[in-house]
Amino acid sequence: KAGVTQTPRYLIKTRGQQVTLSCSPISGHRSVSWYQQTPGQGLQFLFEYFSETQRNKGNFPGRFSGRQFSNSRSEMNVSTLELGDSALYLCASSDGTSGGARETQYFGPGTRLLVL
Amino acid sequence: KNEVEQSPQNLTAQEGEFITINCSYSVGISALHWLQQHPGGGIVSLFMLSSGKKKHGRLIATINIQEKHSSLHITASHPRDSAVYICAVSGGGADGLTFGKGTHLIIQP
Repeated sequence: KAGVTQTPRYLIKTRGQQVTLSCSPISGHRSVSWYQQTPGQGLQFLFEYFSETQRNKGNFPGRFSGRQFSNSRSEMNVSTLELGDSALYLCASSDGTSGGARETQYFGPGTRLLVL
Repeated sequence: KNEVEQSPQNLTAQEGEFITINCSYSVGISALHWLQQHPGGGIVSLFMLSSGKKKHGRLIATINIQEKHSSLHITASHPRDSAVYICAVSGGGADGLTFGKGTHLIIQP
């Protein structure tokens, strides 16, 4: 089976712009979770999608949003970018039946976002 | 909110040594994950456990629910084990995973 893929791998944006990141889960996986990793805060949970619905949400402002399509592919969007949004954004997929955080998660390679 | 503490933050050891990385958390959980992150960012899930002990090759993970503590052991360490090891927990009142800061392990030949 192909692993989790994320596009793009690298992205440079300027403050105030918006960005959309994409994640394709492992075939058959219905849960996709998104994480932000920064040197200062480490890894933080953004949200989890299951069957096209947001099932869980972390403590991030409303500028961070996501969605999931019927084929389980997921996108996350960050509007009005700030310098502090520069980070590695990782998605992970899992089967989804027990809730992503209670299942083995398979991580994608990440999208490295730089906001100037 | 669950607080996840890992120790040590940094660890340098010689090839062949037995390695232990510790993780403690403040609130009861439903599962604990051990993750490995290599330079470049890729993360691999090593273990998910809610009780007892699991073993995979040279890696062993244990958890003590009463003491809110888990350990990751590496036997016969090898330079390819050099990576950041991250502990993460689920449950404890938070949605999603709560992560520790990671342990940066370097195994010297």
